[in-house]
Amino acid sequence: QSALTQPASVSGSPGQSITISCTGTSSDIGGYKFVSWYQQHPGKAPKVMIYDVSNRPSGVSNRFSGSKSGNTASLTISGLQPEDEADYYCTSYTRSSTLWVFGGGTKLTVL
Amino acid sequence: QVQLQESGPGLVKPSETLSLTCAVSGFSISSGYYWGWIRQPPGKGLEWIGSMYHSGSTYRNPSLRSRVTISVDTSKNQISLKLSSVTAADTAVYFCARVDQWAFDIWGQGTMVTVSS
Repeated sequence: QSALTQPASVSGSPGQSITISCTGTSSDIGGYKFVSWYQQHPGKAPKVMIYDVSNRPSGVSNRFSGSKSGNTASLTISGLQPEDEADYYCTSYTRSSTLWVFGGGTKLTVL
Repeated sequence: QVQLQESGPGLVKPSETLSLTCAVSGFSISSGYYWGWIRQPPGKGLEWIGSMYHSGSTYRNPSLRSRVTISVDTSKNQISLKLSSVTAADTAVYFCARVDQWAFDIWGQGTMVTVSS
């Protein structure tokens, strides 16, 4: 069981917007701004899409945005494109000895 | 351009020690940053194994702590992972990654390790 809770799957049609949630506790997401999101295509390494809750690394499309409310972080993808179909993982810093906790991952299907 | 490349045996026998290295190019490890290891069992999610600062401070996942050793060799500009007493549950793709602002910003391509006799 993962420390952070994500929906197993979400889906959307091209052009639509979807949101993936990531729920933790006050010891991780709720207590710090160090939430990041990763996109992983089959057989590939994860790629950071969002860091520090809402910051996009250089080169990442502005269709990807992040936010946080309380103990829940969210990744929103607007204007869905076929190439967005992938697995998405959230992670957060935690004040426990683990330091980093991951979500279980969400499979995004673009219909 | 910073690049990471994992290497090591693809097959390890149960009860033995898994040893992997991560060669870093385009950046000197001694210049800073945390460096980490993450694994992904087949068909499953990501699991943080541990991270090490260039100066030597090490943090390990409590569930693996007693079996994990992470080290940095600044002369070779590489990071190493040793996982002892492996079982089939340790079969996974192992990634190394750089940590920047508490996010894993650069990843290696990963290396598959199978634990089997």
